[in-house]
Amino acid sequence: QVQLVQSGAEVKKPGSSVRISCKTSGGTFTSFGFVWVRQVPGQGLEWMGGIVPVYGTSKYAQRFQGRLTISADESTTTVYMELSSLRPDDTAFYYCARDYYGVVHPGYFDHWGPGTLVSVTS
Amino acid sequence: DIEMTQSPDSLTVSLGERATINCKSSQSVLLSSNRKNYLAWYQQKPGQPPKLLIFWASMRESGVPDRFSGSGSGTDFALTISSLQAEDVAVYYCQQYYSDFPTFGPGTRVEIK
Repeated sequence: QVQLVQSGAEVKKPGSSVRISCKTSGGTFTSFGFVWVRQVPGQGLEWMGGIVPVYGTSKYAQRFQGRLTISADESTTTVYMELSSLRPDDTAFYYCARDYYGVVHPGYFDHWGPGTLVSVTS
Repeated sequence: DIEMTQSPDSLTVSLGERATINCKSSQSVLLSSNRKNYLAWYQQKPGQPPKLLIFWASMRESGVPDRFSGSGSGTDFALTISSLQAEDVAVYYCQQYYSDFPTFGPGTRVEIK
């Protein structure tokens, strides 16, 4: 079955960067897109950006442009999210998810990782 | 960006009763060329990631109980739980994928009366 396994919780200082991995299994990696969605504790969901591994193309929400990088390694079927210039308000759960329709057009997210908590504190 | 709004913010319903959540988009998410509404619904229980319930506005994801149904077109949509069960306590989100930049509604919390 499809599984997305994320790396563990991180504690970071303001101004630093964080890199989270999302190891996928089940399904054909290059047949889908993958996205990152974040959720500040107690708040709603926010799409950050996505990648289509078969094309190597990424797209980012305007508010993260310049400090967000999403990449994919086809050989290990792993997707990565790196966020730089961290601020305390970046403290959130970060979820990777499979975009079922994503190769064609951004779509709906049918499988999700468990989430990775990133805490940004001095 | 397409803005999504939901109503109500929270909903308290008795077991076995109907619950309806509304979702509105700031512009139509209906693509005229294929007559599809680019709208999904998710359920999120405490401490868990979201779970896809509905896509294309009314298509139920595999394994989702048939008490969940989606309806609507254009800019106005609804998620209905026909007979609320205890395990349906959660926050429900709509999401548009019409634009290149998907956006979520703010969520509706469903509780048991």
